[in-house]
Amino acid sequence: DQQVKQNSPSLSVQEGRISILNCDYTNSMFDYFLWYKKYPAEGPTFLISISSIKDKNEDGRFTVFLNKSAKHLSLHIVPSQPGDSAVYFCAASAGAAGNKLTFGGGTRVLVKP
Amino acid sequence: GAVVSQHPSWVICKSGTSVKIECRSLDFQATTMFWYRQFPKQSLMLMATSNEGSKATYEQGVEKDKFLINHASLTLSTLTVTSAHPEDSSFYICSARDPLTPSFEGYTFGSGTRLTVV
Repeated sequence: DQQVKQNSPSLSVQEGRISILNCDYTNSMFDYFLWYKKYPAEGPTFLISISSIKDKNEDGRFTVFLNKSAKHLSLHIVPSQPGDSAVYFCAASAGAAGNKLTFGGGTRVLVKP
Repeated sequence: GAVVSQHPSWVICKSGTSVKIECRSLDFQATTMFWYRQFPKQSLMLMATSNEGSKATYEQGVEKDKFLINHASLTLSTLTVTSAHPEDSSFYICSARDPLTPSFEGYTFGSGTRLTVV
């Protein structure tokens, strides 16, 4: 039972354009969501997060939107840069920090120069 | 920022042998560490939660006798893959939480270990 899903395994976008990554979840107990960026043979690095009490969080070129009623979140990267090419995972947690994270399957982003 | 060191970064072992992977928090004390496994082009799957000074909590379907976890100190957790088989070949990643960072941003991942069993 996959509680966090990223239905697009890959995404190709032109440099300077917007990248939109989507994530859906099924567990209504999830109340904190994170996006991680991962390069091959490396561990994930934290990108941006959002609490369920918010519907938007912005940090520079990265914005995460949360639609609780639809159990859907998205990550917008604008403008996309070649260095953004990586695999992006969304993750979710229920309860306070210290609880486990449940990851989606990842979306591979390729930003073309 | 918080740093988690994972060693080795890659290892090749013969079928039937055991392999130990270390995860160290370098500049903070981690009462809780997490061990993940990632198959090619798949997500990170949580294997177990490692608690300092107590037994690890394993996720459903993970064989605790095969994947031995020890968290003997606040800065070190080890994962031992016992009697390894080719199907254990995978990318293993640990994560540690800095308790002084109150949110999930305090989770830091190691760089992972590529295990190949031949």
